[in-house]
Amino acid sequence: DQQVKQNSPSLSVQEGRISILNCDYTNSMFDYFLWYKKYPAEGPTFLISISSIKDKNEDGRFTVFLNKSAKHLSLHIVPSQPGDSAVYFCAASTYNTDKLIFGTGTRLQVFP
Amino acid sequence: GAGVSQSPSNKVTEKGKDVELRCDPISGHTALYWYRQSLGQGLEFLIYFQGNSAPDKSGLPSDRFSAERTGGSVSTLTIQRTQQEDSAVYLCASSLNRDRDGYTFGSGTRLTVV
Repeated sequence: DQQVKQNSPSLSVQEGRISILNCDYTNSMFDYFLWYKKYPAEGPTFLISISSIKDKNEDGRFTVFLNKSAKHLSLHIVPSQPGDSAVYFCAASTYNTDKLIFGTGTRLQVFP
Repeated sequence: GAGVSQSPSNKVTEKGKDVELRCDPISGHTALYWYRQSLGQGLEFLIYFQGNSAPDKSGLPSDRFSAERTGGSVSTLTIQRTQQEDSAVYLCASSLNRDRDGYTFGSGTRLTVV
């Protein structure tokens, strides 16, 4: 039972363009969502988060959008840079636990 | 230390042997988590410690897996009678304020069972 789904295993984007990574979830009790970035041989690093009381959170080049009715969130990176090439995981949790449920990840490649 | 430290970074073991994986969380972080990532898979939750509360063991895949956290700090994940399907990267994370800082992950232990 995959509660958090990232249906695109990979995405390729040209440098300077927008990267849009998508994530869907099934558990309506989720109230907190995060994005992590992972380089090879390293642990995931926290990127940006959003609470269910918001529909948008922005941090520099990174913006996360949450559509609760569709149970969908997305991460926008603009402009994309080659250093953004990594695997991106979305994650979610409910109000009564800090335990995060992760998606399977999307490999982003930003080419010059 | 400044980050979450895991040891060993790599472990190759024979099928049937027991292994212990260690995690040193960030000092002062009250929550500690173990996840694993198998080849081509996402991050699978294993176990979660929060302060003095009973751990959430709901993700442990079998009774061959166990974990403890001593003194609210260092944690050890033990896998008994390892099987080839246990091969994965085992990741530890800690957090103090999830909503502000998320988790901080270690670099993981790559376990290979041959």
